[in-house]
Amino acid sequence: AQSVAQPEDQVNVAEGNPLTVKCTYSVSGNPYLFWYVQYPNRGLQFLLKYITGDNLVKGSYGFEAEFNKSQTSFHLKKPSALVSDSALYFCAVRDLSNSGYALNFGKGTSLLVTP
Amino acid sequence: DVKVTQSSRYLVKRTGEKVFLECVQDMDHENMFWYRQDPGLGLRLIYFSYDVKMKEKGDIPEGYSVSREKKERFSLILESASTNQTSMYLCASSYPRGHEQFFGPGTRLTVL
Repeated sequence: AQSVAQPEDQVNVAEGNPLTVKCTYSVSGNPYLFWYVQYPNRGLQFLLKYITGDNLVKGSYGFEAEFNKSQTSFHLKKPSALVSDSALYFCAVRDLSNSGYALNFGKGTSLLVTP
Repeated sequence: DVKVTQSSRYLVKRTGEKVFLECVQDMDHENMFWYRQDPGLGLRLIYFSYDVKMKEKGDIPEGYSVSREKKERFSLILESASTNQTSMYLCASSYPRGHEQFFGPGTRLTVL
């Protein structure tokens, strides 16, 4: 079975400071990992993904994530937070040993960036 | 530009009504998905389809059915709506084999 955990319901950070939103995963094979962002009353927007290759993945809006196989983590990071980054963030995983096409999503982390 | 559209942004129905939620994508994607999103529970997969007329149950299919008669359209059906089906419903589509999913804006359904 595949699953992800987002251990923090909410993350607060001051504008200009670095931010990290945590994600750990559990799969039986090699994972595909994704980060999505959701603004209020909107659908999810794709930020970045890890399939293979470099462990540091760069995505939209200055976000990046680091794949760490030994710690089974895929934390989302940004060097300098903006107030407009305030939103709900979801980590998702697909297990390559699973022939299904669906993703398993975490419960989401609410990011609040204060001026 | 990639686009997934859902037939309604907000919908209010009464208990026992049959409800249809429609989703259309213009990207020629093989896969389409229906999720429901509830606070504290994240996204939960209801059904998905990997081809026309093909469907697979997700984690919470009870009380729902789906229809995919054309590649671009995936419908979610609540046969007899109940109050515990009040939720945000999100449709998504993707190419197969690990590509990212593209989401519609969501339908916020309230069942009274």
